[in-house]
This record gives sequence, C-alpha cells and structure tokens, in this order.
Amino acid sequence: AQTVTQSQPEMSVQEAETVTLSCTYDTSESDYYLFWYKQPPSRQMILVIRQEAYKQQNATENRFSVNFQKAAKSFSLKISDSQLGDAAMYFCAYRSGHQKLVFGQGTRLTINP
Amino acid sequence: GAGVSQSPSNKVTEKGKDVELRCDPISGHTALYWYRQSLGQGLEFLIYFQGNSAPDKSGLPSDRFSAERTGGSVSTLTIQRTQQEDSAVYLCASSSPGPKNTEAFFGQGTRLTVV
Repeated sequence: AQTVTQSQPEMSVQEAETVTLSCTYDTSESDYYLFWYKQPPSRQMILVIRQEAYKQQNATENRFSVNFQKAAKSFSLKISDSQLGDAAMYFCAYRSGHQKLVFGQGTRLTINP
Repeated sequence: GAGVSQSPSNKVTEKGKDVELRCDPISGHTALYWYRQSLGQGLEFLIYFQGNSAPDKSGLPSDRFSAERTGGSVSTLTIQRTQQEDSAVYLCASSSPGPKNTEAFFGQGTRLTVV
C-alpha cells in the first residue's frame, strides 16, 4: 500500500525567510501525482501545488516550489519569503490513477514576525 | 455547485444517539472521500467512492460507521450510537474523473461534538 511520511510535526521560520517542508512516499507505481495542501485555522483545505510524476521539471507556484526526487521518492515544499498568512498545517498527499488520495501526517508551520 | 458543501457545519449530540453528516460534491465529480480529523491532528481516511465501483471502506473505524452515496452525487456519513471519541471534524472531498485531473476539493467540514 502507498504511504506518505512527513517527518517534521512542527516547523517555524522567521517572516521573509525560506523554509522547506519534507515529504517522502512509498509506491511501486511509475505514474502518479503528488500534492501539497494547506490547512489554515479556518480548517479549509487549500491546494498549494501539484506535481505529476512523469514531469521532471519541479512545479512552482509563486513563492511555493517543490523539489521532486522521483528515485528517492521525496517531495519537499519550499516556501520563499515566508508571510504571516503562510502559517498553517501543511499536508503532503499522493494519488495514482483512480486510487484513493493518501495523506501524510501533516507539518504545523509557524511564522515568527 | 460552486464547491463541496457539507452540512451541518456544527453538530452537538448526546452519547448514544445516531448522527448523519451530509456532503454535496462538486457536480460531475465521480470521486468522493470522507476523512476524520481530530483537533490539531492529521487526516484519517474513512471511505472512498469512485464512480460505480465498490467503495473502499477500509478506513471505517467500526461497524457503527457507514456511508452511502446516492445517484453518484450526495453522500451521507452515518454514525450510530455515538461515543465521545467520535468527536472530531469530518471532512468531505471530491475530485473529477480521470487520472489527469486528480486534485481533490474539500468542504469546510462538520465539527461533531459528542457530549
């Protein structure tokens, strides 16, 4: 079964600095999708960024970028120029074909002003 | 609809009572998920519906939990004989068909409190 592991329960960063959240996964599939979701205190889950496994280029969305290492099964999220509004729980997730979406345990990110 | 809608947004129930939580997915989305989230914790998978396939019920914690999806659209999660440990936020998500568009859209959740 596919599993997703986030080894950092909590992270903190100074405002305007850069932080990287880690995620590893286990799969025998070759084609799949990886996601980072953000959950602020409002509890609304918001998609931050998506990576398709067959694309070698790392996805980027404004201040958010990923480091996708397919061979190492690693999918880290880098947040540049951290802002107070980035404070949230961040979840890494995996999906292959029509199988269910699998989430990691989450990382709570705190932004220090 | 414009997004995934869940009702009620909050539910307080007495221990031992049955509750029903409703999820209206985005129109046309064939995949529907239910997750449970305890305070400050991660997402616990409960059940997954995909089109006309048999649902993946592997996450349901006990036989007190069940879910239906009628007509491939609205889903109801039922918890019978509620216990205090059932208190949590129940999140529903849906996604469109096909492997090329797999983003899941989430509702705001139902906060269930069992007293």
